[in-house]
Amino acid sequence: EAGVTQSPTHLIKTRGQQVTLRCSPISGHTSVYWYQQALGLGLQFLLWYDEGEERNRGNFPPRFSGRQFPNYSSELNVNALELEDSALYLCASSLGLGGYGYTFGSGTRLTVV
Amino acid sequence: SQQGEEDPQALSIQEGENATMNCSYKTSINNLQWYRQNSGRGLVHLILIRSNEREKHSGRLRVTLDTSKKSSSLLITASRAADTASYFCATVSMDSSYKLIFGSGTRLLVRP
Repeated sequence: EAGVTQSPTHLIKTRGQQVTLRCSPISGHTSVYWYQQALGLGLQFLLWYDEGEERNRGNFPPRFSGRQFPNYSSELNVNALELEDSALYLCASSLGLGGYGYTFGSGTRLTVV
Repeated sequence: SQQGEEDPQALSIQEGENATMNCSYKTSINNLQWYRQNSGRGLVHLILIRSNEREKHSGRLRVTLDTSKKSSSLLITASRAADTASYFCATVSMDSSYKLIFGSGTRLLVRP
């Protein structure tokens, strides 16, 4: 069984640009979660999608957005990139709502210069 | 925001010794989970303990949960160099938001 896949693995962008990160969950998982792990700030919850709908959102500005497609894959979009957006962005999927462990992808390392 | 703190922030032990990490959280939980992260990459799920459970084992891992103190501990017995990683606890709250809220993590170094 394929795990959670994320693309790209690394990305370098200039301040002010826009970026799209992609995530494919494990087959059969309908929930996708996005987390940001910036240096020294730990893992911060960004967004949760389930059955194509945004279910919950962390304390991030509106320039962080995303969507989930009918095949349950997901995109995270970040507009007007700022230097502090440099981080590892992790996607996870889950079999059920909260009662199971999450499976994480290897992440996308975003560097904003 | 972080759910709570992990203690210690860093731990260095000799191969073969046991490693204990502690986690405290703030809100009522549905369950608590432990994850391992190697070299800043993806997290690996280790174990899940539900709020009505007090202890759980998985191989060399032992997790305890004390809901009255809002705390949990992870014990790794007979540690190996390959156990070197960062370990995070994460909670799912009772408010049905279903998102995992992570602690700050413990960096474990196992010296060969």
